[in-house]
Amino acid sequence: AQTVTQSQPEMSVQEAETVTLSCTYDTSESDYYLFWYKQPPSRQMILVIRQEAYKQQNATENRFSVNFQKAAKSFSLKISDSQLGDAAMYFCARGYALNFGKGTSLLVTP
Amino acid sequence: ETGVTQSPTHLIKTRGQQVTLRCSSQSGHNTVSWYQQALGQGPQFIFQYYREEENGRGNFPPRFSGLQFPNYSSELNVNALELDDSALYLCASSLSLLNTGELFFGEGSRLTVL
Repeated sequence: AQTVTQSQPEMSVQEAETVTLSCTYDTSESDYYLFWYKQPPSRQMILVIRQEAYKQQNATENRFSVNFQKAAKSFSLKISDSQLGDAAMYFCARGYALNFGKGTSLLVTP
Repeated sequence: ETGVTQSPTHLIKTRGQQVTLRCSSQSGHNTVSWYQQALGQGPQFIFQYYREEENGRGNFPPRFSGLQFPNYSSELNVNALELDDSALYLCASSLSLLNTGELFFGEGSRLTVL
């Protein structure tokens, strides 16, 4: 099975600080997409950022950026200037049918 | 633009019963996927429908079945419910068959099997 692993069940960050969430994955494909999704307590999953594997440049969306290491099959999410509204479950996902990791619960403290 | 809506939001069933969950896709989306999210876990892919045909299935038994209608709304049916079927069921729609990230999720249907 091609898996996605998030090794941090919980993370905590202070408001305005930076936090990095880790993700590793397994795949035999050479071209694929990687995603970070956010699931706030209201439960609706929202796309945060995506990365196309054939692009070497790391994706960036405002305060969110990724560190994509294709050879290492690593795809971490960096959140800069953390805000209270960033508190949520974050899921890393890969591929066509969205193979999700188990998630990281992010707590943002004032 | 109407987002993805799911019904019911919560329901309770007993073991052995059957359940139907419904999903209305985002306007203009022709592809819908269903996911099962057990408590404390990431979503697991059940299957995907594209233009009324099943197009891809995860590791779920045949008692999980689905339909997609001409208006692209969708149903997930689960027969012979088991306790382990208790989960949040998420529906997601997209504009295209290939997932390039434009997936829009509903808020889910929370199923409890007693």
